[in-house]
Amino acid sequence: AQKITQTQPGMFVQEKEAVTLDCTYDTSDQSYGLFWYKQPSSGEMIFLIYQGSYDEQNATEGRYSLNFQKARKSANLVISASQLGDSAMYFCAMREGNYGQNFVFGPGTRLSVLP
Amino acid sequence: DVKVTQSSRYLVKRTGEKVFLECVQDMDHENMFWYRQDPGLGLRLIYFSYDVKMKEKGDIPEGYSVSREKKERFSLILESASTNQTSMYLCAHRPRDRDPGTQYFGPGTRLLVL
Repeated sequence: AQKITQTQPGMFVQEKEAVTLDCTYDTSDQSYGLFWYKQPSSGEMIFLIYQGSYDEQNATEGRYSLNFQKARKSANLVISASQLGDSAMYFCAMREGNYGQNFVFGPGTRLSVLP
Repeated sequence: DVKVTQSSRYLVKRTGEKVFLECVQDMDHENMFWYRQDPGLGLRLIYFSYDVKMKEKGDIPEGYSVSREKKERFSLILESASTNQTSMYLCAHRPRDRDPGTQYFGPGTRLLVL
């Protein structure tokens, strides 16, 4: 079974508008972490934001926020005031347990920001 | 600035060839990882290493081996390349004291096996 599901293979958003990228996850662990990475066309993966399963507040990093709904097992990424440079692939990932050395990535969503 | 370099950005090899993909990090980090990335599948872990000469299989180790003789260098080896190993290969590393999910990635190597 898929551990991380990203149902949107592609998304378009107008410059300066907000956009939400969906992510749902599946785990039976109590302690886990959720992450979002950005991959521009250059290929490098860039860490964006992290949410721990015990964190009560939603994580925020500048224009990025993570809408964490634990009961629904969702961890959506919200990008406010989209910029042209936000066009990229976005991957949701999950680390299970406290000391997991590896973790699972979703299939990704390609975001295109329109001028 | 964290720096991860991978030996080649693009590589074309023939079926049956032995292929070496090199990854070097300059941060003295213990943990290093090799992933392959395929459309619709995201990233899948091939192997990881938590110290020199230490290695652990990831989710898809078949057809690959690794070498970690020095802390800064983690090599991925395809003993006999096959066309189904055509993919994007990404190396990553992280310090021991950071969350296991916070990894620093290299620019990737696009490998084409003919």
